[in-house]
Amino acid sequence: RKEVEQDPGPFNVPEGATVAFNCTYSNSASQSFFWYRQDCRKEPKLLMSVYSSGNEDGRFTAQLNRASQYISLLIRDSKLSDSATYLCVVNPRSGGSYIPTFGRGTSLIVHP
Amino acid sequence: NAGVTQTPKFRVLKTGQSMTLLCAQDMNHEYMYWYRQDPGMGLRLIHYSVGEGTTAKGEVPDGYNVSRLKKQNFLLGLESAAPSQTSVYFCASSPPQADTEAFFGQGTRLTVV
Repeated sequence: RKEVEQDPGPFNVPEGATVAFNCTYSNSASQSFFWYRQDCRKEPKLLMSVYSSGNEDGRFTAQLNRASQYISLLIRDSKLSDSATYLCVVNPRSGGSYIPTFGRGTSLIVHP
Repeated sequence: NAGVTQTPKFRVLKTGQSMTLLCAQDMNHEYMYWYRQDPGMGLRLIHYSVGEGTTAKGEVPDGYNVSRLKKQNFLLGLESAAPSQTSVYFCASSPPQADTEAFFGQGTRLTVV
């Protein structure tokens, strides 16, 4: 079983739609959680960190449920420019170090 | 501010050839990583380093070696390239704290024929 699991999609939604991505992780000792965005043939870039109390950045809302080992990302009022792959990232502890572990990514396509 | 720079950006190798991928970061980060990305597989960790002179194996280390002789550089070597190593390779760096962001290079597209 992979440490970080995501639904690969693709999610195909019209502009203005609300879309939610889910992610589960297996290591209960994981300390930190993130969502990265990756555009086609480009490097991943941080979209937002995920905090225990949940956090919002404009149209994006991230939630963490430690008991269920579950992370979510909600995108409201989708734009064409939101089309990308969204990577769930967990930093489990490995021998005293925190090493970013990536899910396979969820593909989002926003169409007119 | 260059961030993380990977060299080369593209390369085609013949089976059995060797090569070294160079990653350089100017952010004074302790941690550096090499990942490979294949369609449908996401980013998989090859090797990582938590400081100058130290390296460790990741999820998919076979066929690769690494060195971190200087804090700012992390080299990934392929001693005898195989078609299965055709992939996009990403280097990244980060501070050692758990809640910090990893910064990525632009990637190296490697094809082994």
